[in-house]
Amino acid sequence: AIQMTQSPSSLSASVGDRVTITCRSSHGFINELSWYHQKPGQAPKLLVYQVSTLHSGVPSRFSGSGSGTDFTLTISSLQPEDCATYYCLQDAQYPFTFGPGTKVELK
Amino acid sequence: EVQLVESGGGLVQPGGSLRLSCAASGFAFSTSWLTWVRQAPGKGLEWVATIKSDGTEEYYLDSVRGRFTISRDNAGDSLFLQMNSLRAEDTAIYRCARQSVVPVDHFDHWGQGTMVTVSS
Repeated sequence: AIQMTQSPSSLSASVGDRVTITCRSSHGFINELSWYHQKPGQAPKLLVYQVSTLHSGVPSRFSGSGSGTDFTLTISSLQPEDCATYYCLQDAQYPFTFGPGTKVELK
Repeated sequence: EVQLVESGGGLVQPGGSLRLSCAASGFAFSTSWLTWVRQAPGKGLEWVATIKSDGTEEYYLDSVRGRFTISRDNAGDSLFLQMNSLRAEDTAIYRCARQSVVPVDHFDHWGQGTMVTVSS
């Protein structure tokens, strides 16, 4: 199975900061990677799919990039409502695997 | 509006069984792939199983294969997860999700989940 890692595991940033989360895969694939965020007590929500395609309704401050084994989710200007845990998911092959998550908090 | 509502969770003893249901509305159920994802208390997300729109293909996490069975009723817009031989490590919130497969797979809608607790 493809193993996914994320870094950092948590971060603290101020409103307006640029935030970058990295996801690394044990096996390379082309573009089958998506990003989700989850707030406490809520279901996850899709942010980005196919590495860089923004899901409908997701603010443009979110962006995704990468290829092969290294992928990035960037929040260009952190907002209070962005505080959540972020997960990457490889959907290139079964079993699909999520990264362990990155908790984003306000400083 | 897309809605996915899970039910059927509860407390069960190790070795026991549960059948989870997911009632769907607001989208073309019979042409949609569907997935179960679980989350142990305080832990991350774990993909569990996926079923193709017509039910002809199923995919499972290794640790549940042979114990869990995903199925669907396209006439009733419902997804199911039959869980047998339950173990303590199956304790989690189980959520159903719609799996869009165009242009690549991703989970674009999620239910709130149903809690499964395996304990004696």
